Amino acid sequence: GQNIDQPTEMTATEGAIVQINCTYQTSGFNGLFWYQQHAGEAPTFLSYNVLDGLEEKGRFSSFLSRSKGYSYLLLKELQMKDSASYLCAPMDSNYQLIWGAGTKLIIKP
Amino acid sequence: IAGITQAPTSQILAAGRRMTLRCTQDMRHNAMYWYRQDLGLGLRLIHYSNTAGTTGKGEVPDGYSVSRANTDDFPLTLASAVPSQTSVYFCASSDSHEAGEQFFGPGTRLTVL
Repeated sequence: GQNIDQPTEMTATEGAIVQINCTYQTSGFNGLFWYQQHAGEAPTFLSYNVLDGLEEKGRFSSFLSRSKGYSYLLLKELQMKDSASYLCAPMDSNYQLIWGAGTKLIIKP
Repeated sequence: IAGITQAPTSQILAAGRRMTLRCTQDMRHNAMYWYRQDLGLGLRLIHYSNTAGTTGKGEVPDGYSVSRANTDDFPLTLASAVPSQTSVYFCASSDSHEAGEQFFGPGTRLTVL
């Protein structure tokens, strides 16, 4: 079956760095997406990895290891506005996104 | 219109009633999707459409139907609502089925009593 594992909740301090891990099992693989979702709002696209390695985009970076079925999202210089849920979503062989339940990130001052 | 719009924003519905959730996009995207999001669960795909005139079933299609008469509109219909269909419904679109990056509408919060 298809399965996504990511922590339910994490807490970090403003200005710090946090890493949100995601492990996945899918039927085939066509890349992995990370989305951000603020409470009561729609998900918005953050990053996409299809090859192994690190993709950097400003304060956010995303890493992929296809052989390990593993990805992480790294957030640097945390700001209060980064308090949100972060959704890991690999794409299977049918090009369907398989969504994790999300990691709720709480930022404390 | 900019992006994707959904209507209504929220709705309280009596069980057994018929309800259509509307979704319109102006990005000329080929693919569109309907998801439901429930507390503690990931987004679950209800139905999708890879291009105008075609639709497909997702993970949780029972009790829902869709149509895709044109590129812009993708309505979701609950023929006879049940309380288990209480959820937040998101419509999304992508340039193509293979493109992956999906753009989401603001969502419809539906309560079935």
